[in-house]
Amino acid sequence: EVQLVESGGGLVQPGGSLRLSCATSGFSFSIYWMSWVRQVPGKGLEWVANIKQDGSEKYYVDSVTGRFTISRDNAKNSLYLQMNSLRAEDTAVYYCVRDVSGSYPGWGQGTLVTVSS
Amino acid sequence: EIVMTQSPATLSVSPGETATLSCRASQSISSNSAWYQQKPGQAPRLLISGASTRATGIPARFSGTGSGTEFTLTISSLQSEDFAVYYCQQYNNWPPTFGRGTKVEIK
Repeated sequence: EVQLVESGGGLVQPGGSLRLSCATSGFSFSIYWMSWVRQVPGKGLEWVANIKQDGSEKYYVDSVTGRFTISRDNAKNSLYLQMNSLRAEDTAVYYCVRDVSGSYPGWGQGTLVTVSS
Repeated sequence: EIVMTQSPATLSVSPGETATLSCRASQSISSNSAWYQQKPGQAPRLLISGASTRATGIPARFSGTGSGTEFTLTISSLQSEDFAVYYCQQYNNWPPTFGRGTKVEIK
């Protein structure tokens, strides 16, 4: 069974940092691109970042470029998102997703990040 | 970036009837589109990729059509578990983008 389990969300002040983690199992993690997708509660979905199988290519939505860093550890079957200089507009549920040629057949349950003073 | 426009925002349908959801891309995306279902408190679930290919385990009552800029998700004989929010997505151009969703509610 494919499983993706996010952790690391919480309440943080504007300008603060958080590191999200995603532990995966049930599939060959190292052969897939992986992405983070976020959703403001009650709103739509926004792709945030993705990373190539070997970590050699990384892409970000413009609004997080320079503040967020995606990374992975294939030995641990894990995906990460380092979030710095957080803003109120980054408040959302963050999903770890398996990326198959651009569509997302596998999602975690999400972790809520709240940026507020 | 490519804008995905979904219509209608809300669709009221009776169980057993057919629901037709539309999605329009702001420019051609070939067949590089997907549909997701999301229920309250749950993560989205992939239904359709490549405009018309059902994902693993998705019932045949879900079907997708379209190419270029116009896409349709049809849900035949709606079951109680099908009342949810549906999102379309394009992955032809960077960045990948989603529509704002169509809520399918019980009439």
